[in-house]
Amino acid sequence: NAGVMQNPRHLVRRRGQEARLRCSPMKGHSHVYWYRQLPEEGLKFMVYLQKENIIDESGMPKERFSAEFPKEGPSILRIQQVVRGDSAAYFCASSPPSGAPSNQPQHFGDGTRLSIL
Amino acid sequence: DQQVKQNSPSLSVQEGRISILNCDYTNSMFDYFLWYKKYPAEGPTFLISISSIKDKNEDGRFTVFLNKSAKHLSLHIVPSQPGDSAVYFCAAKNTGNQFYFGTGTSLTVIP
Repeated sequence: NAGVMQNPRHLVRRRGQEARLRCSPMKGHSHVYWYRQLPEEGLKFMVYLQKENIIDESGMPKERFSAEFPKEGPSILRIQQVVRGDSAAYFCASSPPSGAPSNQPQHFGDGTRLSIL
Repeated sequence: DQQVKQNSPSLSVQEGRISILNCDYTNSMFDYFLWYKKYPAEGPTFLISISSIKDKNEDGRFTVFLNKSAKHLSLHIVPSQPGDSAVYFCAAKNTGNQFYFGTGTSLTVIP
């Protein structure tokens, strides 16, 4: 399966714990985006990363949330000291690197559904 | 600040008729526009796109129209089928490879 892979699909955490969400982009893609979807709402941009570099994190809460996309391995979205309001579906998308034919769509994974008890 | 807006949260259409989903944007620097379809418990799936240098792109039953002067985008599905029932998101990209999504329109095609 060469698509965007996210794991786990479902994650349950208690308040105060840490949540780690993983995303492996499509083969050949080097740009990764994270989005959050709250119940009954649309997709909210969180962060845009390239390998070892955060391009835009303007949509990410300033505290408790961090993201990385290391040279090797998947992109990680980390939420520390989770609270009930963090319960949402988190989607990752990837797109080709700069220099590829311009105007390529993002492709999404099936998301991680985070539930906070 | 919502740069891409879908003002209709829901739409119901009879099978076989045309579905028209609308989207407005505010940033004239967007250079690429997309529509995604999303089923429950799945990620959005890319449907169709259009470059800002065009005003129409067609792919089978799906056609996207772009009116740059009005900053308006629409998706036409004809004929509509029950399997088209899903949430549709429009999106726009700027030259910095950043994507902005609307809040979605839930389409129900009634058999």
